[in-house]
Amino acid sequence: DQQVKQNSPSLSVQEGRISILNCDYTNSMFDYFLWYKKYPAEGPTFLISISSIKDKNEDGRFTVFLNKSAKHLSLHIVPSQPGDSAVYFCAAKGVGNEKLTFGTGTRLTIIP
Amino acid sequence: NAGVTQTPKFRVLKTGQSMTLLCAQDMNHEYMYWYRQDPGMGLRLIHYSVGEGTTAKGEVPDGYNVSRLKKQNFLLGLESAAPSQTSVYFCASSRNFVEQFFGPGTRLTVL
Repeated sequence: DQQVKQNSPSLSVQEGRISILNCDYTNSMFDYFLWYKKYPAEGPTFLISISSIKDKNEDGRFTVFLNKSAKHLSLHIVPSQPGDSAVYFCAAKGVGNEKLTFGTGTRLTIIP
Repeated sequence: NAGVTQTPKFRVLKTGQSMTLLCAQDMNHEYMYWYRQDPGMGLRLIHYSVGEGTTAKGEVPDGYNVSRLKKQNFLLGLESAAPSQTSVYFCASSRNFVEQFFGPGTRLTVL
């Protein structure tokens, strides 16, 4: 039972345009959501997070939006740059839980 | 600071062999985790630890054992390797179990 789903395995975006990565979840008891970025042959690195009491969090070019009623979060990258080409994982933490549940990842390719 | 390091980086085993993967962190983090990454499956939690001397099962614990004898080290053991355990293994540590810091990974092939 996949509690965190990333339905798009891949996404290609022109350099300078907006990249939008999507994530859906089924567990209403998640209280934190995160995005991680992974380059080939490296471990994932933390990108941005959002608490379930907020609906938006922004950090430079990266913004995460949370729609609790739809159980949906998205990561916006604007403007997209070639260095943003990577696999992006969304993750969620349950209330009172000490571990994260990860999605399957979306491979983002920025086209110069 | 080295962050999170993993040893070895690559390993090939034959079915039935055993091995131990070592994870070390120098950030004084309480929480440590072992994940495996398989194509199309994302990152799946094997075991984790919330402090020295503690361990707990994750999503896919079967066939693995762990130990956390020292705060900075988290060991993952395979007692009798199987081809289904061919994967890339990542260790992570965290101060608050929200933002996790990952090691570079160990690529394991079981023939």
